[in-house]
Amino acid sequence: GDSVTQMEGPVTLSEEAFLTINCTYTATGYPSLFWYVQYPGEGLQLLLKATKADDKGSNKGFEATYRKETTSFHLEKGSVQVSDSAVYFCALTQGAGGTSYGKLTFGQGTILTVHP
Amino acid sequence: SAVISQKPSRDICQRGTSLTIQCQVDSQVTMMFWYRQQPGQSLTLIATANQGSEATYESGFVIDKFPISRPNLTFSTLTVSNMSPEDSSIYLCSVETGQAGSQYFGPGTRLLVL
Repeated sequence: GDSVTQMEGPVTLSEEAFLTINCTYTATGYPSLFWYVQYPGEGLQLLLKATKADDKGSNKGFEATYRKETTSFHLEKGSVQVSDSAVYFCALTQGAGGTSYGKLTFGQGTILTVHP
Repeated sequence: SAVISQKPSRDICQRGTSLTIQCQVDSQVTMMFWYRQQPGQSLTLIATANQGSEATYESGFVIDKFPISRPNLTFSTLTVSNMSPEDSSIYLCSVETGQAGSQYFGPGTRLLVL
């Protein structure tokens, strides 16, 4: 079945540092890929997405590129802020017509803490 | 996107009892989903609820334990039946907007079973 693997955390950075959170996936076909963020005490928010190979999703200074050759969707940000402290989840879903259509498969989550 | 609300936001329940969680969306959607997030863990899909049909459950989840209703295109309920402490989790509903499978989540219901 489909699976998503994220780099183990927690990740601790100083403000303005560069961030990379690795995400690789195993899936049949051509899944869509997502990053979700969960701020402390809040619900899950869609951060960015990419639906086909070489697509780059971006939002709030975060970026991730859909790399089919390496089955990866690494999250990056050039300069993190204290307010970016949260749990980040990589996820995938299969397209229409698949037996698992609509089901989001999540990675285990990576805790990011940014210090001033 | 969609605005999703859930009730209750949190609850503390005794083992053996049942709790019904409500999920309300501000627009009509075809697909709604229920997820569970156990403490310190990732999210796991419980079931998919489409209006007008029976919910589809994932492996490891059964209708007797997690009955779901979907009476219209903006509302769904999930019941956690005959609860045990292992059911202590955050339960989240989500909707699929049709935009390349993007799903938007409600704020979650934090359940503690004693």
